[in-house]
Amino acid sequence: EAGVAQSPRYKIIEKRQSVAFWCNPISGHATLYWYQQILGQGPKLLIQFQNNGVVDDSQLPKDRFSAERLKGVDSTLKIQPAKLEDSAVYLCASSPRQGFGYTFGSGTRLTVV
Amino acid sequence: GENVEQHPSTLSVQEGDSAVIKCTYSDSASNYFPWYKQELGKRPQLIIDIRSNVGEKKDQRIAVTLNKTAKHFSLHITETQPEDSAVYFCAASIYGSSNTGKLIFGQGTTLQVKP
Repeated sequence: EAGVAQSPRYKIIEKRQSVAFWCNPISGHATLYWYQQILGQGPKLLIQFQNNGVVDDSQLPKDRFSAERLKGVDSTLKIQPAKLEDSAVYLCASSPRQGFGYTFGSGTRLTVV
Repeated sequence: GENVEQHPSTLSVQEGDSAVIKCTYSDSASNYFPWYKQELGKRPQLIIDIRSNVGEKKDQRIAVTLNKTAKHFSLHITETQPEDSAVYFCAASIYGSSNTGKLIFGQGTTLQVKP
């Protein structure tokens, strides 16, 4: 079984620039999550999709972050404009059903300078 | 909202000793408690999980216990080995047809096993 694919692995941008991350979940997994993991902390949920609908985006800074999941498969997370405090690892995860059987991707490490 | 507290933040043990990491959760409706191991620069990987209808679960050298009344759960690693060195995260969620099932993570415990 292929895992959760994410790209890019690393990204360095200047503050106020924009950046986008891509995630391809495990085939057949209806639920997709984006987590932000700041160095030294546990992952924090940004947004959760069930198929192509948003289930929970209560922790997403909507003034600068956006996400979509086209056709209920791949997903992109965008930050525009980036701030220094957005430096973190962005983890994508998928599960066959909500809340159970999570598999994480390798993450994208974002550095904002 | 749901909060998960994890202790200690760092733990150093000698190879062969046992290690215990403890977590408490705030939402009594939580019913699923996974533990993840994260090596430096790698993805979190599920090592063991427990549901609220079970008090204890064991898998070789790893065990998890759950006390629903006190709202805490613990990870026990016996006969630790250097390759157990990593950051361990506990998490809690409410899963079921009417819930989102989002995982709330603890702050992490850095375990160092000295040879």
